Amino acid sequence: EAGVVQSPRYKIIEKKQPVAFWCNPISGHNTLYWYRQNLGQGPELLIRYENEEAVDDSQLPKDRFSAERLKGVDSTLKIQPAELGDSAVYLCASSSQREPSYNEQFFGPGTRLTVL
Amino acid sequence: AQTVTQSQPEMSVQEAETVTLSCTYDTSESNYYLFWYKQPPSRQMILVIRQEAYKQQNATENRFSVNFQKAAKSFSLKISDSQLGDTAMYFCAFMRGTGANSKLTFGKGITLSVRP
Repeated sequence: EAGVVQSPRYKIIEKKQPVAFWCNPISGHNTLYWYRQNLGQGPELLIRYENEEAVDDSQLPKDRFSAERLKGVDSTLKIQPAELGDSAVYLCASSSQREPSYNEQFFGPGTRLTVL
Repeated sequence: AQTVTQSQPEMSVQEAETVTLSCTYDTSESNYYLFWYKQPPSRQMILVIRQEAYKQQNATENRFSVNFQKAAKSFSLKISDSQLGDTAMYFCAFMRGTGANSKLTFGKGITLSVRP
């Protein structure tokens, strides 16, 4: 079974430029999460989807961040315009309510964003 | 709101020895889950072990076991017979037990180095 796929793995941009990250969750997983992980910290949730509906986006900075999961499968996270403080690793995760992996979140390798 | 505290920033252990990683949390919830995740330099978050708060028995997965003290809100991870491949960051995480998938609240993590 393929894991969570993310691209790109690395991205370097200048401030004020736009950037987008893509995530393909594990097949059949209806819940998808985007986390941001700052250097030396644990991940923090940005947004959670149940199928195509964003059910928790309270931590998403909506002035510059947007996300979509149009068909309830893969998802895109966008930042426009990027700021220096956005430099971080952006992790995507997915989960299913079916046993035996109930409540377990499976993570992708992340995208390391550097804003210059 | 839930908080997870990992007060040790880093630890080192000799190969084949045992090491214990500490974690405390704060919550007013009665039903919840606790997790330990491993993040090697490749950045892929991997679930190590999971504990349901309603279970009194401590979870065990091969060389990994937990000491769950619900009253003290403590959740430590013991790694027995440490191996070089155990070198990674370890994150303690909390999830509300709503019956549906929910966000993970992570601690800051601890860097574990296994010496040959």
